[in-house]
Amino acid sequence: DTAVSQTPKYLVTQMGNDKSIKCEQNLGHDTMYWYKQDSKKFLKIMFSYNNKELIINETVPNRFSPKSPDKAHLNLHINSLELGDSAVYFCASSQQGADGYTFGSGTRLTVV
Amino acid sequence: GESVGLHLPTLSVQEGDNSIINCAYSNSASDYFIWYKQESGKGPQFIIDIRSNMDKRQGQRVTVLLNKTVKHLSLQIAATQPGDSAVYFCAETSPAAGNKLTFGGGTRVLVKP
Repeated sequence: DTAVSQTPKYLVTQMGNDKSIKCEQNLGHDTMYWYKQDSKKFLKIMFSYNNKELIINETVPNRFSPKSPDKAHLNLHINSLELGDSAVYFCASSQQGADGYTFGSGTRLTVV
Repeated sequence: GESVGLHLPTLSVQEGDNSIINCAYSNSASDYFIWYKQESGKGPQFIIDIRSNMDKRQGQRVTVLLNKTVKHLSLQIAATQPGDSAVYFCAETSPAAGNKLTFGGGTRVLVKP
């Protein structure tokens, strides 16, 4: 059983399109995150949700909109995709008050 | 701004030797640190953590050292194996940051047979 699962694993799309990445965790954690990893492997937080409530929103273009229908799911919708959005996007979860995250295996987004 | 700093160097290690990966951080309020390992095509995996009230913590073949005076963190891997080839990240958080982890830039470890 995968603890944090993301779909799709690979996504190739044209500039200007709208796409979504889905994330689900079966760990019972109450906090979920989206991180972006660039071509130099740098990991930067984008969003964090705690029990469906947005608690971290870093400086991310408003073309990116997270949605958390319940505490086990955190989806990421991206409008009007740009070349610079190409990266690997990681979902993660943690238990509030505990330490360390569990990461998904990533979604490699390529915008052409 | 505050940051956890690593460029992405590559550390080449002979199989069986010990590896040492270093990390500098700048936030003096950071009180919890984690090392992650990321293998190709996978997400980061927790290796070992340490709190600021400790200066050393050991796990299975791994040791983390924390020097708060110079804001330096290191990960030592004993008897490096081919399966240790990966990118290693340090991450930190502080009370003001809540549960938000800030990651360093990563170090690639290549184990030579």
